[in-house]
This record gives sequence, structure tokens and C-alpha cells, in this order.
Amino acid sequence: EVQLVESGGGLVQPGGSLRLSCAASGFTFSTYWMHWVRQAPGKGLEWVSRLNNDSDILDYADSVKGRFTISRDNAKNTVYLQMTALRVEDTGVYYCARAVPGGSFLPYWGQGTLVTVSS
Amino acid sequence: DIVVTQSPDLVAVSLGERATINCKSSQSLLYNSNNKTYLGWYQQKAGQPPKLLIYWASARESGVPDRFSGSGSGTNFTLSIGSLQAEDAATYYCHQYFSTPYTFGPGTKVEI
Repeated sequence: EVQLVESGGGLVQPGGSLRLSCAASGFTFSTYWMHWVRQAPGKGLEWVSRLNNDSDILDYADSVKGRFTISRDNAKNTVYLQMTALRVEDTGVYYCARAVPGGSFLPYWGQGTLVTVSS
Repeated sequence: DIVVTQSPDLVAVSLGERATINCKSSQSLLYNSNNKTYLGWYQQKAGQPPKLLIYWASARESGVPDRFSGSGSGTNFTLSIGSLQAEDAATYYCHQYFSTPYTFGPGTKVEI
């Protein structure tokens, strides 16, 4: 069974940093693209970033480009999202999701971790 | 960036009736080289992650009831929920994965 478990969320002041982790199990992690999607409180879904299995293709939403960095450790079956220069508008639940082979829709999602940026 | 819009914002439907949600993209989501349309639909209930319902615009994800169907092509798409059940009350999002940055529609809330 595919499982994705996010961690690392919490309360941080504007301008601060946080690193989210997503531990994967139940599939061969090293062969799949991974994504991060976020959701502000009471709002819709916003795609954040994606990373291919070899870590040589990375993409970001314009809203986080230059501030967030996606990475992965295939030996640890974990994908990360390093977030710096955090803003109030970065507040929300952050989900990691696994794509399908050869496509980019997202059949598997974690339960999410809450990031709150506030002074 | 591809902009994705949805209508209506809210659908109020009685049990057993049909609900229809529309999604429009600012450019075609058809990839000519493989003839696939890069559009998906997700259902999200309060406090839960999104659940994939439809991919490639009309393919139903495994385990999704057949009352859910997706249609459309190019830039105009529809999610239909036939014979609405109580458990279908949720917010529905369309999602383009044709090009990055991937984008989601703003969501349509279905109330029973």
C-alpha cells in the first residue's frame, strides 16, 4: 500500500525557514516523480513544486521560486521541501503527492502538514 | 501560465439528481504527439487530502464509482456526477498537468 507521511510543519515567523519531509513507503520510491501541493486555510489547491526521480528536473510555482527548494533522498525514500524567506501567504497545509509513471496526475497524496507563518 | 477556471462556484443538488461542473483552460490541454488530454478531476472533503477521480479528461480512476464521468476536449471540460449520493458532498477541482506551473481550478462546492 502506498503511504506518504509529511512532517516538519509548525509555526514560524515571517522571514524564517522550515524544512518539510515526506516519507514514502509501499512503492519503489526512486522511480517516481514527487510533487508538493499546498492549500491555504479555506482556499483552493495550489501546486508548489515537482522533482523527477533522478533529481535533475525541478519545477516551481512562480510564487515560491527562489525561496523554496525541493530535493529527495532515494536511499531514505524521502522528499523534502526547504522553505526560506517565508511569508504570511505561505500559510497552509502542505501535501506531498506521487505522480504516475509517464504522467503527472497525482493518484496518491499524504495527509498534509500545517505550516503557519505568523508573528 | 495556463489559467484554469471552473463554474459554478457552488452546486446545490438533491439526492439522486445529477450535478455538472464545468472547467475551462486558457489553452488547449491536448498533447498532439500522444493524443492525450492533460486534465484531471479531484474530490476533496473537509479535513482530507484530495482524491483523484478522473485523469486524461475522461478516464476513471480505479475504485471510483461509475456515476462520476469526465468529458470534454481542448479547453472545455465537464465533470458529471449522476444520481448524487450523500457522500458526494465535497469540493471538486479540475487540474491541468499539461505544462508547469501546473494549475488547479478554484473549486466547485457540491451541496446536497
